[in-house]
Amino acid sequence: EVQLVESGGGLVQPGGSLRLSCAASGFTFSDYYMDWVRQAPGKGLEWVGRIRNKANIYTTEYAASVKGRFTISRDDSKNSLSLLMNSLKTEDTAVYYCGRPHGTTYSDHHLDYWGQGALVTVSS
Amino acid sequence: IQLTQSPSSLSASVGDRVTITCRASQGISSYLAWYQQKPGKAPKLLIYTASTLQSGVPSRFSGSGSGTDFTLTISSLQPEDFATYYCQQLDSYPLTFGGGTKVEIK
Repeated sequence: EVQLVESGGGLVQPGGSLRLSCAASGFTFSDYYMDWVRQAPGKGLEWVGRIRNKANIYTTEYAASVKGRFTISRDDSKNSLSLLMNSLKTEDTAVYYCGRPHGTTYSDHHLDYWGQGALVTVSS
Repeated sequence: IQLTQSPSSLSASVGDRVTITCRASQGISSYLAWYQQKPGKAPKLLIYTASTLQSGVPSRFSGSGSGTDFTLTISSLQPEDFATYYCQQLDSYPLTFGGGTKVEIK
């Protein structure tokens, strides 16, 4: 059974940093791309970014709103995905989900598995 | 690429046929997915590549469209379908979601 479990959420002051983790199980993690998606309280979904697999040199993509502040990384030996968030702003307050794209081909980028989410609150 | 969903909310009764539209600001071929989200839960994949039903999703859900105009149809609304629905384009980065459509009980 595929499982994605986020951890590391919490309260952080504006300008601070936080690292989220996503523990993956039930599939060959190293084969897959992985995404982060967030949802501000009472708002819609916002795609945050993606990291590709080793075969695609672990390249990354980011939303404009987080580019230069957030960094996605992965440790295939630990089946773990990370999101390092720097220079946090109050508007980064959201539930952060990790999600697994179905595959690496162009028609397989939809997210077929999601974690339960981790709440990040940026406030003084 | 901007995705505009309409309506942003709707009220419907059990058994009704419901249609939600998603319009892309430029052509995205068929690289569109639909998700369902219930309060406090993670989104759930319903449809991918515009019209392919995800395994385990009831056949009352269907998707259509290509290019810039897409629809999600629920043929006969069931009590468990009251939720918020989002489209997502997977054609080009940054990937984007529509603003969502909340389906409420009439």
